[in-house]
Amino acid sequence: NAGVTQTPKFQVLKTGQSMTLQCAQDMNHNSMYWYRQDPGMGLRLIYYSASEGTTDKGEVPNGYNVSRLNKREFSLRLESAAPSQTSVYFCASNRNTGELFFGEGSRLTVL
Amino acid sequence: QKEVEQNSGPLSVPEGAIASLNCTYSDRGSQSFFWYRQYSGKSPELIMSIYSNGDKEDGRFTAQLNKASQYVSLLIRDSQPSDSATYLCAVNPAGNYGQNFVFGPGTRLSVLP
Repeated sequence: NAGVTQTPKFQVLKTGQSMTLQCAQDMNHNSMYWYRQDPGMGLRLIYYSASEGTTDKGEVPNGYNVSRLNKREFSLRLESAAPSQTSVYFCASNRNTGELFFGEGSRLTVL
Repeated sequence: QKEVEQNSGPLSVPEGAIASLNCTYSDRGSQSFFWYRQYSGKSPELIMSIYSNGDKEDGRFTAQLNKASQYVSLLIRDSQPSDSATYLCAVNPAGNYGQNFVFGPGTRLSVLP
């Protein structure tokens, strides 16, 4: 049982480049989330999707776009990467008991 | 803006002692409360959830909730070096699991052998 799978695990970008972080879950969860984690700031929500076909902004959506491709997949796109987007990104999904299941994280560095 | 606050630590306790981790939240209407443990370089994992006032025990862990004081705590009894990690408090403001979970900054716990 793979759970939540994120790719890539590591990425280095130059300022202005674009990239997409991929996330897939095999637990048939309705809700999916993208968080970023920076030292001393905990997890901050970028976007979430309560169900297939819907997405909503979280606390820090600027500079990001998302796509809920189907029930399994939720991608995060950086159109023009900035050094401030250097972070660890976590995808998560939610079963209706409230527990979040996290992927292993994607460490992004923007030079 | 809904906020969740924690003492960032580090909190150091000797092996076998009780570790006490605290969390306060700003949204009085919050319904669901969670404690996640995160080892360095790893992803968070749920260790406790609590929904009503009082205590909830699971093995060495006890979560305590006081909605009137907007306060959640986690007690770890008989602390072990393997408990050394960052503990994240999370709040689901509306109790709707399709909506936002707000996380605190985390408290780093170090259990000394």
